[in-house]
Amino acid sequence: QSVLTQPPSASGTPGQRVTISCSGSSSNIGTYNANWYQQLPGTAPKLLIYYSDRRPSGVPDRFSGSRSGTSAYLAISGLQSEDEAVYYCAAWDASLTGLFGGGTKLTVL
Amino acid sequence: EVELVESGGGLVQPGGSLRLSCAASGFTLSSYAMNWVRQAPGKGLEWVSYISSSGTTIYDADSVKGRFTISRDSVKNSLFLQMNSLRDEDTAVYYCARDAGTNWDLDLWGLGTLVTVSS
Repeated sequence: QSVLTQPPSASGTPGQRVTISCSGSSSNIGTYNANWYQQLPGTAPKLLIYYSDRRPSGVPDRFSGSRSGTSAYLAISGLQSEDEAVYYCAAWDASLTGLFGGGTKLTVL
Repeated sequence: EVELVESGGGLVQPGGSLRLSCAASGFTLSSYAMNWVRQAPGKGLEWVSYISSSGTTIYDADSVKGRFTISRDSVKNSLFLQMNSLRDEDTAVYYCARDAGTNWDLDLWGLGTLVTVSS
């Protein structure tokens, strides 16, 4: 069981907005912020959002992140079929360990 | 092209050892902290180990502490993971990942190498 808690699944139709949550604690997200990764089937993870709300170059602005207290959120607007993937939140922890959430499988209906 | 390429995976018996390598190209590995992250078949991501850019600071997950050792070689521009006393539960794809340095944000990943521990 992951220290960072994500819903196992989420879904939406093309064009919709979907939000994925990640619940942590004061020792990780509350202090170090969160990062988000996208893992398409059969590929390595890709950094999507860092420092809770920053996008690396090349990531579409349909993807956005936010943080509230010890929780982080990933929002995907204008949902597209190619967004179907597993999304992981991650954060460094004060115990000097790296943490990943259990992953949320996003299905585009 | 900026990339990371892992190698060294394979089939090993429980209790055995394996050494993974991660070769960097297109950038200087010694300028970055690096990590190993693994993914068991059909499961999520699990952080394994971290090494600072200088190599002087190392952190390991409790699940591998005392069995795995992360290291780096600036001359070879490579990262390594020495894995000893391997267990069935170490079976996974092992990724090396570059730390961009802002927030433990892993901005570059290799394709991974599969380690299978089985008798």
